[in-house]
Amino acid sequence: AQTVTQSQPEMSVQEAETVTLSCTYDTSESNYYLFWYKQPPSRQMILVIRQEAYKQQNATENRFSVNFQKAAKSFSLKISDSQLGDTAMYFCAFMKETSGSRLTFGEGTQLTVNP
Amino acid sequence: NAGVTQTPKFRVLKTGQSMTLLCAQDMNHEYMYWYRQDPGMGLRLIHYSVGEGTTAKGEVPDGYNVSRLKKQNFLLGLESAAPSQTSVYFCASRGEGAYEQYFGPGTRLTVT
Repeated sequence: AQTVTQSQPEMSVQEAETVTLSCTYDTSESNYYLFWYKQPPSRQMILVIRQEAYKQQNATENRFSVNFQKAAKSFSLKISDSQLGDTAMYFCAFMKETSGSRLTFGEGTQLTVNP
Repeated sequence: NAGVTQTPKFRVLKTGQSMTLLCAQDMNHEYMYWYRQDPGMGLRLIHYSVGEGTTAKGEVPDGYNVSRLKKQNFLLGLESAAPSQTSVYFCASRGEGAYEQYFGPGTRLTVT
């Protein structure tokens, strides 16, 4: 079974600064996907970024980027130029690359961006 | 295109009552999922379906039943609600060969 761990229950950052959220996972699979989801106060789950395990290049989506260390089973999210709208709960998630696979989520990190 | 919708959005039940949560998706997705979200525990999978007429247990299935009689709908039932089932419930769907799950807006259920 896969496990996902987010060791930072809460973090805060000043507007316009950079923050990194940590995630580690445990799996015996070689092919899989990793995701970061954002959940603002509206409760809606929003996909922020994904990483395919077979890709060595780290994924980037505008101000969001990841540091994927496959050997270390680490998958951190970096948010640059933080904005007030980035305030949300962030979840790291894992999915095997097989048909019908489901997501395994970490516990979440509550990020607060301060003005 | 509504995506994934959930009915109801809020509900309060007394211990022992039953109810059904409805999830509907209009994206012709094969896979559908029910999660519950509790503080400090992330989202945990209750049951899932890989196609019409199929269901399977997830991580925390006890006390819940599901049905997928139509491809677009996935129902989650609580036969005898317990306070431990107080939670926010999310439905999600995913297309065959795709990686992204699309989530509904959630249902907040309180059992007193």
